[in-house]
Amino acid sequence: EADIYQTPRYLVIGTGKKITLECSQTMGHDKMYWYQQDPGMELHLIHYSYGVNSTEKGDLSSESTVSRIRTEHFPLTLESARPSHTSQYLCASSEVGGGRPELFFGEGSRLTVL
Amino acid sequence: SQQGEEDPQALSIQEGENATMNCSYKTSINNLQWYRQNSGRGLVHLILIRSNEREKHSGRLRVTLDTSKKSSSLLITASRAADTASYFCATDSSGNTPLVFGKGTRLSVIA
Repeated sequence: EADIYQTPRYLVIGTGKKITLECSQTMGHDKMYWYQQDPGMELHLIHYSYGVNSTEKGDLSSESTVSRIRTEHFPLTLESARPSHTSQYLCASSEVGGGRPELFFGEGSRLTVL
Repeated sequence: SQQGEEDPQALSIQEGENATMNCSYKTSINNLQWYRQNSGRGLVHLILIRSNEREKHSGRLRVTLDTSKKSSSLLITASRAADTASYFCATDSSGNTPLVFGKGTRLSVIA
């Protein structure tokens, strides 16, 4: 079992609301990621971080923002949710260095914007 | 942009049969990984194969890598109903670049 946790698991909100999806890991991993998964299963990298105070945008343009103030915590925020943001959001983490490059995923946060 | 493309998109087999899924990618890779996702859950790492390896085994899983063809295959032998899931390949071009995932193959194993 991976020690990476996402909350909430499910969220239904109205358009225009601000939301924050939480992601925490207890493995001490420096690298953390947010992927967005569409209904057709495809995963798109939207944000990643290689350490505290370091964040980068991924391949998919996203209106969300992230922060990395603590190693274990990597929250994702949508300032004003829209129906187009309806999706599954997956958080993951991995070690720095080539020893164990595999990603550990949380269970996901399924967001529905009405 | 997506790096890996799995084939087929969906696969349905009987329990006990072998399941083969293929992955093609476009650029040079550092390593290639396979993940599994049960419906509505997060992904779980299955196996990693490095660019200088050609074949790797783990239990009922067998992965091959052909860097000249930029392709990999995942073979699950003696499939079980519990193997029903989506399977994704993922690649990185170096140890410092994020993984890029393919579109996945939905496997259904019928008891």
